[in-house]
Amino acid sequence: QVQLQQSGAELVKPGASVKLSCKTSGYTFTSYWIQWVKQRPGQGLGWIGEIFPGTGTTYYNEKFKGKATLTIDTSSSTAYMQLSSLTSEDSAVYFCAKSYDYDVPFAYWGQGTLVTVSA
Amino acid sequence: DIQMTQTTSSLSASLGDRVTISCSASQGISNYLNWYQQKPDGTVKLLIYYTSSLHSGVPSRFSGSGSGTDYSLTISNLEPEDIATYYCQQYSKLPWTFGGGTKLEIK
Repeated sequence: QVQLQQSGAELVKPGASVKLSCKTSGYTFTSYWIQWVKQRPGQGLGWIGEIFPGTGTTYYNEKFKGKATLTIDTSSSTAYMQLSSLTSEDSAVYFCAKSYDYDVPFAYWGQGTLVTVSA
Repeated sequence: DIQMTQTTSSLSASLGDRVTISCSASQGISNYLNWYQQKPDGTVKLLIYYTSSLHSGVPSRFSGSGSGTDYSLTISNLEPEDIATYYCQQYSKLPWTFGGGTKLEIK
């Protein structure tokens, strides 16, 4: 069965960077898009960007360009998102998700990673 | 960007009720519309894709409809495990955008 296992909670200082992971299993990693989503406490969902592991092609939401960088490691079927120059506004839960057939996005979700930015 | 609007932010219903949640897009999205369920523990699942297709493993009491700019999710015969927040999302045009969510509670 499809599984997306995300890395554990992070407590990071303002100005620092953090790299989140999303380890996948149960399907062909290189055949489906991986999306990343941000959810601030008590707020809705916002698309950050996505990457196609087969080619490395990426698309970013303009709001997150310069903030998020998406990468993949095909040898371990793992996707990564690095967040840089962190501020309190970056404190949130970050989800990874994978697409479905016909490029339907967000078909399967990870459990989320809580990032807290605090001195 | 395409704006997705869920005008009802919270909704209270009784077990066994039929519940409809609405979503509208700022422009036509050609049925490229998904619905998600987020449980109180934070887990998120896809329920409906392409307006009305039921995702694998989703109970048949969930259904979707709509066209153009207006879409809806219906839950027939509400069950306790349906307590959650429901989001619509368009994938007609990048950036993908979500509605603000509708929180469903038991009356």
